[in-house]
Amino acid sequence: DTEVTQTPKHLVMGMTNKKSLKCEQHMGHRAMYWYKQKAKKPPELMFVYSYEKLSINESVPSRFSPECPNSSLLNLHLHALQPEDSALYLCASSQDRTEIYGYTFGSGTRLTVV
Amino acid sequence: QKEVEQDPGPLSVPEGAIVSLNCTYSNSAFQYFMWYRQYSRKGPELLMYTYSSGNKEDGRFTAQVDKSSKYISLFIRDSQPSDSATYLCAIANTGNQFYFGTGTSLTVIP
Repeated sequence: DTEVTQTPKHLVMGMTNKKSLKCEQHMGHRAMYWYKQKAKKPPELMFVYSYEKLSINESVPSRFSPECPNSSLLNLHLHALQPEDSALYLCASSQDRTEIYGYTFGSGTRLTVV
Repeated sequence: QKEVEQDPGPLSVPEGAIVSLNCTYSNSAFQYFMWYRQYSRKGPELLMYTYSSGNKEDGRFTAQVDKSSKYISLFIRDSQPSDSATYLCAIANTGNQFYFGTGTSLTVIP
């Protein structure tokens, strides 16, 4: 299994809703990442988990809350989002933080905040 | 100044053309250079990677790095409609710093 699976593929949520994005990989990778990508822009790093511990938080607003329940799963909990948070949210994984070439990306969750 | 600059295009070529995609970067400390391909509504996928300077060839794709000029290139020979995608360059160093370019949108017209 060489895939990163993200669910849901699409999500529409109101500004008062609470929702979660899920990411799963079964490649034995120990580093997992959340990226945010706006239209016609490159992915921007949000969070990095290494061996299930949060190692990087790129000054992301607290309305985004990551969670890594185990080595295969990564969640992103969303609460009180703004319309400008609408974007493609990408999950990625790699063998570990030193494996520069080995990022595997999921297909993303396209989030619309109304 | 951004760490890596990439012409966003869009670039439109006829089928069979040679495509040249380019990026420049600012810090000579970067040693790892990658090209990702991203189809519409999909995540990026690693296409090619090189370490330090030189060329690397894989089928119709050639990645080239010129560290003296801080310039990286991806060449696509005999381009196909299936090559239509956004191509992102990326640079990294051993300090876990990783930066994407803005991406170049390519359309290959049959």
